[in-house]
Amino acid sequence: GAVVSQHPSWVICKSGTSVKIECRSLDFQATTMFWYRQFPKQSLMLMATSNEGSKATYEQGVEKDKFLINHASLTLSTLTVTSAHPEDSSFYICSARGQGGGELFFGEGSRLTVL
Amino acid sequence: AQSVAQPEDQVNVAEGNPLTVKCTYSVSGNPYLFWYVQYPNRGLQFLLKYITGDNLVKGSYGFEAEFNKSQTSFHLKKPSALVSDSALYFCAVRGGYNKLIFGAGTRLAVHP
Repeated sequence: GAVVSQHPSWVICKSGTSVKIECRSLDFQATTMFWYRQFPKQSLMLMATSNEGSKATYEQGVEKDKFLINHASLTLSTLTVTSAHPEDSSFYICSARGQGGGELFFGEGSRLTVL
Repeated sequence: AQSVAQPEDQVNVAEGNPLTVKCTYSVSGNPYLFWYVQYPNRGLQFLLKYITGDNLVKGSYGFEAEFNKSQTSFHLKKPSALVSDSALYFCAVRGGYNKLIFGAGTRLAVHP
């Protein structure tokens, strides 16, 4: 199946710094990517929908200025957690859908720990 | 609004026994239903989906799911569980704008 790569897998940062997480579709072009957040022992909560070349659509309650999403190409979307705080510590997962719709493919996730 | 419910936080089953992980859904219109599996600190892996057609859907790793419209259910099943099947399982439904809406997840524990 199609491959979606996330980088980094693990990141530890100090409070107040910004962290960028990349999501790449390796063997297909993804017009739409989704960013999820998962707390321990909980389900995935959709944060935002990222469409190539346009602004991301954020879910209710997600701070746009806090979680910056850029989808500059058909194979790359980035999530930047700005001025990170310990409560931003979580597992972030991206998923991508190819052109023409169809199945979603998920990245391996990125665990963020803010000290 | 579309939603899915996974009524069991955890399912315990002995290796070799059949397993069932339950899922019920609520949608307007025809449902697009999915099952995913997640291993610790990993992303989600697709198991199977129901879009239309046969109510019994066969997927990866020997899993299957039965779509039951009258009971609005889409339970995941496997005839003979393996210890390696132990993981977190998510049922999902496609919502508006092609978003996936996930259930709370069910932890499957298969013991030897």
